[in-house]
This record gives sequence, C-alpha cells and structure tokens, in this order.
Amino acid sequence: DGGITQSPKYLFRKEGQNVTLSCEQNLNHDAMYWYRQDPGQGLRLIYYSQIVNDFQKGDIAEGYSVSREKKESFPLTVTSAQKNPTAFYLCASSIVYPPRGGQPQHFGDGTRLSIL
Amino acid sequence: KNQVEQSPQSLIILEGKNCTLQCNYTVSPFSNLRWYKQDTGRGPVSLTIMTFSENTKSNGRYTATLDADTKQSSLHITASQLSDSASYICVVSANNAGNMLTFGGGTRLMVKP
Repeated sequence: DGGITQSPKYLFRKEGQNVTLSCEQNLNHDAMYWYRQDPGQGLRLIYYSQIVNDFQKGDIAEGYSVSREKKESFPLTVTSAQKNPTAFYLCASSIVYPPRGGQPQHFGDGTRLSIL
Repeated sequence: KNQVEQSPQSLIILEGKNCTLQCNYTVSPFSNLRWYKQDTGRGPVSLTIMTFSENTKSNGRYTATLDADTKQSSLHITASQLSDSASYICVVSANNAGNMLTFGGGTRLMVKP
C-alpha cells in the first residue's frame, strides 16, 4: 500500500534539545510538506520541498530545519530555538508542487510533540 | 490576506440525521477548494476537490457545493453514521505564482447514537 509514514507517533522534548521527526513516502511524489496543527487553528506551513535537494520556507519556518536528500524522505528538525514546539506535526506529499486541479495532498498520521 | 472561515466550530448530531458544514473564503484568485476529513489523532484524508467550474461534487454520503461568486462552499453529510465523527477541514488554493493552500480551522462533528 502506498502512503506516508511518520514516526514517532509521540515525542517528548527537553529544554535545549533538538528533535527530529521522520517522514517517508512511497508514492513517488516530487513535492513534500510539513505542517503544524494547533487546536482550533488551521494547518500552518513550516517548510515545503518541490524536488530532491530543494526546500523552501513556509509561513512559520523559524526554529525548524529540514533536508531533502532522498525523494522519499523529508525529515523535520525542531530546534531549541523553537520556543513553543508543542503541537501536532503533519507531513504531506503531492505529485508535483503546487498540487494542481484534481490532485489531493496525501497526509501522514502525524507526530504529537510535547515539552517535558 | 487569504482567509478561510469555517462554521460551526463544532456540531453534535444524532446518528441518521443530515448536517451541513460551511466554508467561506477570501482567497483570490481562486484555483480550487478541497474538503478533508480528519479523524482524531490521524492525518486528513481528501473527500472532494472542486475547481472553479464545478458547483457540486459527491463522494458517497458527502456532497460538496461551491458558489464561486459568493465565495462559499458547503459540505452536506447525509444519513450520518458514528464513523462520521471527525474534524472536517476546508482548504482553498490560490491560482497565483505561489499557489499556496489556505486551511480553515475545521468543524468538529460528533455523531451520537
């Protein structure tokens, strides 16, 4: 079955610690995205990647970093500079960037990050 | 500023009843509008995608409508089931160079037996 796998499902961060969230897709999609979801708010874009070895900042990139060394992988690092990291993080992909016309974005099942 | 507003924020209905969720947007120029279903603790799953020329689209018991003139969309759920309990998210795409997606805050639906 094709899809997006995020891990871990739950993650705890200590003060001053960087943590990395994993996102892997086997859909052969060029574009990948990271979103942050807070209660009652719409998803906000952190970073996106149109193609391997390329990525762009989204609306709330400060305190986060990404890499796209392989087509199927787009890990997100939440650095100690992100002062309010507690949220639900969603990874998504689409055939191309931007997702046009009838193309949906496919989402993973998220990682819930909390501060210890 | 591009915005997507959904109403109501939350809704409780009895199993078997119908309901309608609303989405108003100010995204311009409009490209397409998507409805997603998100179960608790899971990622969103696409229900429908509508472009400018489409004013209604169905997916089983889900029917989405789009009025591009008034910039409104609705999602109608017929004969609700317990498994319809979820958040429903409206997403609007702009037809410009960035073509970014603007997400609504969602409507949380609870279907009770």
